[in-house]
Amino acid sequence: KNQVEQSPQSLIILEGKNCTLQCNYTVSPFSNLRWYKQDTGRGPVSLTIMTFSENTKSNGRYTATLDADTKQSSLHITASQLSDSASYICVVSSGGGNKLTFGTGTQLKVEL
Amino acid sequence: GAGVSQTPSNKVTEKGKYVELRCDPISGHTALYWYRQSLGQGPEFLIYFQGTGAADDSGLPNDRFFAVRPEGSVSTLKIQRTERGDSAVYLCASSFGGGGTDTQYFGPGTRLTVL
Repeated sequence: KNQVEQSPQSLIILEGKNCTLQCNYTVSPFSNLRWYKQDTGRGPVSLTIMTFSENTKSNGRYTATLDADTKQSSLHITASQLSDSASYICVVSSGGGNKLTFGTGTQLKVEL
Repeated sequence: GAGVSQTPSNKVTEKGKYVELRCDPISGHTALYWYRQSLGQGPEFLIYFQGTGAADDSGLPNDRFFAVRPEGSVSTLKIQRTERGDSAVYLCASSFGGGGTDTQYFGPGTRLTVL
C-alpha cells in the first residue's frame, strides 16, 4: 500500500528561526513529490513539486529536497514568519501522476 | 471566480439521509478531483475526472458514493444513506490539463457532519 509518513507531527518555533520538516514515502511507481501548505479551514496550497530527476526546488523561503534513492524529502523554511503557521503536507503521486497519496502533515506553529 | 469554490461550506445531516456536495472548478480546468479529509489526517483521494468522464474512481469507498460532471465543469459528489463515518471535510481540486505535474488548486472544502 502506498504510504507517506511525515515527521515531526507538530512543531513550535520562534519567529525568525529556521526549521526542517521530513517526509518518507513508499509509493510505487513514483511520479513526483509535492509539498502543500494548508491553513486551518482552507484547502491545501501547492508550494513545490519535484520529479524524479530533481534534487531541490525553492519557492521563496521554502526549499524542498528530494532523495529518490532513499525515498525521502525535506522542506526547509527559512526565517519563519507568524503566517507560516499551518499544516505542511507531503504528497507523492504515482503512475501517471494524477493519483496523489497525502501524508498526515506536520502542524507548524510560529510564535513571537 | 478566481479559484475553486465549493458549496455548501458546512452540511449537517442525519444518518441515512442523502447529500449532494457541489464543486465549481477554475474556469478552463479540464481535470477535477475529489478528496476526503478526516480530522488530523491528510486528504484521501476519491475520484478524478478528465472532462466529463471519471478517469479514476478507485478511491470511492463504496457504492454509496457517486460523483458526476455532466458538462465538464461543475461536479457533484453524491452520498446515499449517509453514515456517521462519512463525517469529514470533502475537498475538491482542479488542474488545467490533468497532467502528472500539473498543480492542483484546492477549494475550501465542505465540512460534512452526519449525526
